[in-house]
Amino acid sequence: EAGVTQFPSHSVIEKGQTVTLRCDPISGHDNLYWYRRVMGKEIKFLLHFVKESKQDESGMPNNRFLAERTGGTYSTLKVQPAELEDSGVYFCASSLQDGPVAFFGQGTRLTVV
Amino acid sequence: DQQVKQNSPSLSVQEGRISILNCDYTNSMFDYFLWYKKYPAEGPTFLISISSIKDKNEDGRFTVFLNKSAKHLSLHIVPSQPGDSAVYFCAAPKSGGGADGLTFGKGTHLIIQP
Repeated sequence: EAGVTQFPSHSVIEKGQTVTLRCDPISGHDNLYWYRRVMGKEIKFLLHFVKESKQDESGMPNNRFLAERTGGTYSTLKVQPAELEDSGVYFCASSLQDGPVAFFGQGTRLTVV
Repeated sequence: DQQVKQNSPSLSVQEGRISILNCDYTNSMFDYFLWYKKYPAEGPTFLISISSIKDKNEDGRFTVFLNKSAKHLSLHIVPSQPGDSAVYFCAAPKSGGGADGLTFGKGTHLIIQP
């Protein structure tokens, strides 16, 4: 069974540009999450989808971040325009309907220069 | 306001000995806890969990202990092996159990010395 996959693995963009990160969850997992880890700090929750609906987006930093999960399958996280402080590793995770155990992807390392 | 705290950024243990990683929490609503292990350039991997109705959960070399009155949990690894060298994160679902997003600690970097 394929795990959670994220694309790209690395992205380097200039301040002011737009970047879109993609996450493919484990098949059949209704819950999809986005997290971010800024260098050396804790992994911080960004938002939670249940199927195609946003269940909780309390962790989204500001309106430069837009997450979508059309059709309840894969998800995208767009940052527009990117700022220097957006640099970090963005993780996607998915879980079954009721379970708290989430399975993580390998992350996308975003560097804004 | 950190609700999950791992106060030891790093821990060095000799191979074969016991590794004990600690985690404290402040939110009384938390009733389920997870430990994740993370290697460099990889995502966190689920290791073991415990529900608040238990005080111990064991899986092979890994045991998690929960002390609800002290709001403290610990992960014991016995015996420690070189492959255990990684960063360990303690986490809890934001609003208690269920499928809520997780609140993580900052992690403890465990180094197993040969």
